[in-house]
Amino acid sequence: QLLLQESGPGLVNPSETLSLTCTVSGGSISSTSDYWGWIRQPPGKGLEWIGTISYSGSVYYNPSLTSRVTMSVDTSKNRFSLNLSSVTAADTAVYYCARRDNIIVVPAANWFDPWGQGTLVTVSS
Amino acid sequence: DIQMTQSPSSLSASVGDRVTITCRASQTINKYLNWYQQKPGKAPKFLIYAASSLQRGVPSRFSGSGSGTDFTLTISSLQPEDFATYYCQQSYTIPLSFGGGTKVEFK
Repeated sequence: QLLLQESGPGLVNPSETLSLTCTVSGGSISSTSDYWGWIRQPPGKGLEWIGTISYSGSVYYNPSLTSRVTMSVDTSKNRFSLNLSSVTAADTAVYYCARRDNIIVVPAANWFDPWGQGTLVTVSS
Repeated sequence: DIQMTQSPSSLSASVGDRVTITCRASQTINKYLNWYQQKPGKAPKFLIYAASSLQRGVPSRFSGSGSGTDFTLTISSLQPEDFATYYCQQSYTIPLSFGGGTKVEFK
């Protein structure tokens, strides 16, 4: 059973960089068919896709965040990471990591499953 | 960017009711539409992909339909464990986007 677990600081100062890691267990992050994603949810609000990365490092970012987002993969530790720079209070949210699964012959047929439990990151001084 | 609009934003229903949630895309997304269920304090749970294909293990009372811009999620007979918020998500193009959610509450 594939499990994902987010980790990182729960409090970040404004203007600094938010850094989170997602550790994958029960499977390899190096599967050629899998991508890995970050999604966030401000308190009481809906879901926002942040970005997706393959094991080889191919990345897709939300254009609304692309100037501040960096994602990376560490295959030796079976984990992937998110950095979000110059944070403000608007970046306060629960951050989820997830596997992006798909129908191999139909790349556009993809979805997020499973998800990590999520981690609340508050931006405040 | 493709905007996803769900309606209603909330609804009240009773156990045994048939519930229908609508999701509309701002442009065609073919059948590339997913549905998720989220309970308070929990991560979303994946239910349906490609508009109508049920994920393994999801009860058959859940069903999805639609193509193009208009989609529906139907719960044929609402069960106590189904009270939650439901989100649609398009996977047709980047940026991936979610609907605003529909909260199913107990009447």
